[in-house]
Amino acid sequence: GAGVSQSPRYKVAKRGQDVALRCDPISGHVSLFWYQQALGQGPEFLTYFQNEAQLDKSGLPSDRFFAERPEGSVSTLKIQRTQQEDSAVYLCASSLGGDLSSYEQYFGPGTRLTVT
Amino acid sequence: GNSVTQMEGPVTLSEEAFLTINCTYTATGYPSLFWYVQYPGEGLQLLLKATKADDKGSNKGFEATYRKETTSFHLEKGSVQVSDSAVYFCALSDRKDSSYKLIFGSGTRLLVRP
Repeated sequence: GAGVSQSPRYKVAKRGQDVALRCDPISGHVSLFWYQQALGQGPEFLTYFQNEAQLDKSGLPSDRFFAERPEGSVSTLKIQRTQQEDSAVYLCASSLGGDLSSYEQYFGPGTRLTVT
Repeated sequence: GNSVTQMEGPVTLSEEAFLTINCTYTATGYPSLFWYVQYPGEGLQLLLKATKADDKGSNKGFEATYRKETTSFHLEKGSVQVSDSAVYFCALSDRKDSSYKLIFGSGTRLLVRP
């Protein structure tokens, strides 16, 4: 089956523009995560969904960042009024969820956002 | 809070050399430990994992042992190949955290020369 897909793969935005990044998780996966990966760094957690419920948004860096997963499948990460420090690769991951044995996270290829 | 520290790269080795990438962690709960690999142009892939102390994770010739006494999870391979060139990330997930979010180290780039 298909893995996690993300679109667009690359996005260039002018400072101040709003952007929307899409994630299609693996079908049937309950849990969905967003991470931000700055150049030369490891991914950092942004937010977590279990089905449509956003259970943890402790990693969102500011109120300009907003994520949703309205039907418990596709998720969108929205960044309002983009700033240069938002330039990074945004990674989406999904996992089957539930008990400990199904927590392995599968990552998408990422969206590289460049803010000019 | 929870954190992961791994050795800085790049690590440059000749083919068939022995590899060690060090990883240590700090966790308040009961972490599971992981190594992820990112090949050039590809997404992150799980390489191996260990869920409790003294467990050994292994895959594709790579091994790592969960050492609670030294809070370490070092990655080893006996004989590297050119195709192992990639960035390797150590990560933990704390079972006290119901989201099982991953906390990553900063990554170690491995370059294997023919």
